[in-house]
Amino acid sequence: EVQLLESGGGLVQPGGSLRLSCVASTFDSYAMSWVRQAPGKGLEWVSTIRDSDGRTYYADSVKSRFTISRDNSKNTLYLQMNSLRDEDTAIYYCARHLEWREFFHHWGQGTLVTVSS
Amino acid sequence: EIVLTQSPATLSLSPGERATLSCRASQNIKIYLGWYQQKPGQAPRLLIYDASNRASGIPDRFSGSGSGTDFTLTISSLEPEDFAVYYCQQRSSWPPLTFGGGTKVEIK
Repeated sequence: EVQLLESGGGLVQPGGSLRLSCVASTFDSYAMSWVRQAPGKGLEWVSTIRDSDGRTYYADSVKSRFTISRDNSKNTLYLQMNSLRDEDTAIYYCARHLEWREFFHHWGQGTLVTVSS
Repeated sequence: EIVLTQSPATLSLSPGERATLSCRASQNIKIYLGWYQQKPGQAPRLLIYDASNRASGIPDRFSGSGSGTDFTLTISSLEPEDFAVYYCQQRSSWPPLTFGGGTKVEIK
């Protein structure tokens, strides 16, 4: 069974930074993504990193502020979040893609990020 | 950006009834649509990918259909554990990957 475990969430002031981590039981050969969900709202894709070439993709709402990366030797996915805003408050899920498709097959339990002064 | 519109926002049904959920895309996305189920306090679960393929472990009462701009998720006979929020998501043209706003299936 694939397991994903996020960590690193917490309370941060506007303009601050956080780094989220996601440790996976299996990691290689799969693209990985971060998806977030604001309190009481729907799902929003944040970022994806491919396995083959490490190419990265971002939602416009986080581009230039967030950086996705992965360490295959540690089976770990990261999301460095800078210049945080109130509207970044959400549960952040890491997700492993379905084969080569851009669907999210396996999900972590999520980590809550709260941006507030 | 491809916009996905789900309807209805809320569906009130009884266990054993058939549920039909709709997802409409703002442009042709061929078959590149998936469906997720999310229960309170839980992460989403992938049900259907590429319009009509059930993900592993998903019961056959869940089925997906459609292509182009109009898609349907059907639950043939609702079980108590099926009452949840359902989201569609497209992978046809990205970034960004986009989700619909969700349909809540509630107990009548």
